Amino acid sequence: EPEVTQTPSHQVTQMGQEVILRCVPISNHLYFYWYRQILGQKVEFLVSFYNNEISEKSEIFDDQFSVERPDGSNFTLKIRSTKLEDSAMYFCASGRGTSTDTQYFGPGTRLTVL
Amino acid sequence: GESVGLHLPTLSVQEGDNSIINCAYSNSASDYFIWYKQESGKGPQFIIDIRSNMDKRQGQRVTVLLNKTVKHLSLQIAATQPGDSAVYFCAETDPGTYKYIFGTGTRLKVLA
Repeated sequence: EPEVTQTPSHQVTQMGQEVILRCVPISNHLYFYWYRQILGQKVEFLVSFYNNEISEKSEIFDDQFSVERPDGSNFTLKIRSTKLEDSAMYFCASGRGTSTDTQYFGPGTRLTVL
Repeated sequence: GESVGLHLPTLSVQEGDNSIINCAYSNSASDYFIWYKQESGKGPQFIIDIRSNMDKRQGQRVTVLLNKTVKHLSLQIAATQPGDSAVYFCAETDPGTYKYIFGTGTRLKVLA
C-alpha cells in the first residue's frame, strides 16, 4: 500500500540555521500539506500546496517558512532561520482532492532546535 | 471561533470491551470529519471518516457517529485489542479550505 515518506526522521540544528524537511507524497495525489505538532499539543495546520503554488497557509507559516516541489516526487518544507520554538514534529500529508478528501500522513520529522 | 475538543484526555478499557471516544466541534458548517490514530513516534493514521450528510458510518471494528444537532462526534471501537492503544484525534475540515482542524487527542489504554 502506498504511503507518505519523510526524511530525516530526526533533525537537530542550531538556532538560526536553515533546515529542509523532505517528503515524498503518495504518487497519484495532487494536494500536499505540512502540519506540525509541538510536544504534548494538537496537530496544527501550516500550509497546503496544489498545482505548484500555496493554496492556503496558517498564521504560523510566516516568512521564515517556504515550501517547494522541486521535482515530480519530492515536497519540501524549508525553515530559513530556525528558532527554539520551531522544535516540533513536522508531518507531511497528501490527498487526492480538496478539503473533503482524506489526507494521508507521513511518519513525521522530529526537529530539535538547540 | 473554530475549535475541536475532546472530553477525556485518557481512556482505560479492558481488553475485549468496547471503547467510545468522544469529540465536540464548534463549527456547525464543517462538512467532513475524520478520526486518526497516532502511535508513539508515528504520524496520524487514518481510521475512518464521515461526511456531514451522514450520521453513522461503520468500518472494520470501528463506527463513527455524528450528531450535528449537538455538534458531537464519537468513535466506537468494538472488542478493543492491545494494538488499539494509541492517541486518537478527531479532525474536521473547514469548508472551502484545505486544512484539517485537529482536536487535542484522547489516549486509549487497553488493559490486559
